[in-house]
Amino acid sequence: EVQLVQSGAEVKKPGESLRISCKGSGYSFTSYWISWVRQMPGKGLEWMGRIDPSDSYTNYSPSFQGHVTISADKSISTAYLQWSSLKASDTAMYYCARHEAVAGTNWFDPWGQGTLVTVSS
Amino acid sequence: AIRITQSPSSLSASTGDRVTITCRASQGISSYLAWYQQKPGKAPKLLIYAASTLQSGVPSRFSGSGSGTDFTLTISCLQSEDFATYYCQQYYSYPPTFGPGTKVDIK
Repeated sequence: EVQLVQSGAEVKKPGESLRISCKGSGYSFTSYWISWVRQMPGKGLEWMGRIDPSDSYTNYSPSFQGHVTISADKSISTAYLQWSSLKASDTAMYYCARHEAVAGTNWFDPWGQGTLVTVSS
Repeated sequence: AIRITQSPSSLSASTGDRVTITCRASQGISSYLAWYQQKPGKAPKLLIYAASTLQSGVPSRFSGSGSGTDFTLTISCLQSEDFATYYCQQYYSYPPTFGPGTKVDIK
């Protein structure tokens, strides 16, 4: 079974750093891209960026460029989303999702179960 | 970025009803559109890709149509497990963008 399993919920203070993870199983991790998607409380879905785990090439949405870093360790089939300095406005559910590494096939399936990040002083 | 709108933003329906949700792109996206279902506290689930191709395991009461800028998701006979929020997503160009969602609840 193809699965993405994310790390657990986090509670952080403003200014702290954080890295959350997404581990793939049941498929060749380097044959698909991984994207990260934000969902703020009660809101819709926003694409943040993606990584090609085979070479760690990344693309970011302009809305998130410079505020988050996406990385991957193909040896352990895991992608990461990290912040160097969290803000209260980063409070949200974060999902990872797999998609094909071919243009024109970039729908997301499957999705991880989500990681809730709460940033509060 | 390509903007996606959905209508309605919410609707109330009864079990057995036929439900149609519309998605419109700000520019032509050919058939590069997917539909997702999200239930409260759960991750989104892919229903349809390439505008009209049903994902494996998704019930046949779900169908999609359209190309260019206008698309529809139809649930032919609403079941209790279909009450959820539905999102469309374009993948014609980066960044991929989602519609704001349509919440389907019980009348």
